[in-house]
Amino acid sequence: GQNIDQPTEMTATEGAIVQINCTYQTSGFNGLFWYQQHAGEAPTFLSYNVLDGLEEKGRFSSFLSRSKGYSYLLLKELQMKDSASYLCAVRPLEGSWGKLQFGAGTQVVVTP
Amino acid sequence: IAGITQAPTSQILAAGRRMTLRCTQDMRHNAMYWYRQDLGLGLRLIHYSNTAGTTGKGEVPDGYSVSRANTDDFPLTLASAVPSQTSVYFCASSDDSSTDTQYFGPGTRLTVL
Repeated sequence: GQNIDQPTEMTATEGAIVQINCTYQTSGFNGLFWYQQHAGEAPTFLSYNVLDGLEEKGRFSSFLSRSKGYSYLLLKELQMKDSASYLCAVRPLEGSWGKLQFGAGTQVVVTP
Repeated sequence: IAGITQAPTSQILAAGRRMTLRCTQDMRHNAMYWYRQDLGLGLRLIHYSNTAGTTGKGEVPDGYSVSRANTDDFPLTLASAVPSQTSVYFCASSDDSSTDTQYFGPGTRLTVL
């Protein structure tokens, strides 16, 4: 089976940095995605990692360690609009193309 | 239209009734998916379609059926709704790139009483 864990909620101050961790135990691994979801809206794609290391996109960065079954999403220079749920999703096996397994999401609350 | 649309936006349904949730995309993506999202459980895959004419079961398919007559449309049908099917339903499609990134529709909030 699959198990994807991420914290339920995190709170941070505007302008600060927050790191959202995701650990996974899957029967294989073929990529990890991060999505952002504002309340009442659809998830939107943020990042994709398939090789170990850091991927940077502006204020957002995502890191992957396949040997540790671990990823994090780093949000820098937090803005109020970053208040949202952040979803970690794993594609577990080659041949299961598209069949993502999602974590329950981390609610990030940005305070003034 | 651009992207993925879903209809209706929300619906209240009596238990036992039949309901079809509609999903249309104009990006010519081959693969499409239906998820349900429940508090504390995250997104769970109901059914998927890798290309027009083919469908497959996801993690939670019971009580749901799908069809894929063409590339653009992927309706989800609840044959006889039950209260446990109260949820937010998201349709998604993926872009056939090397990452096969999924893009989501705006969702349908369904309440079964």
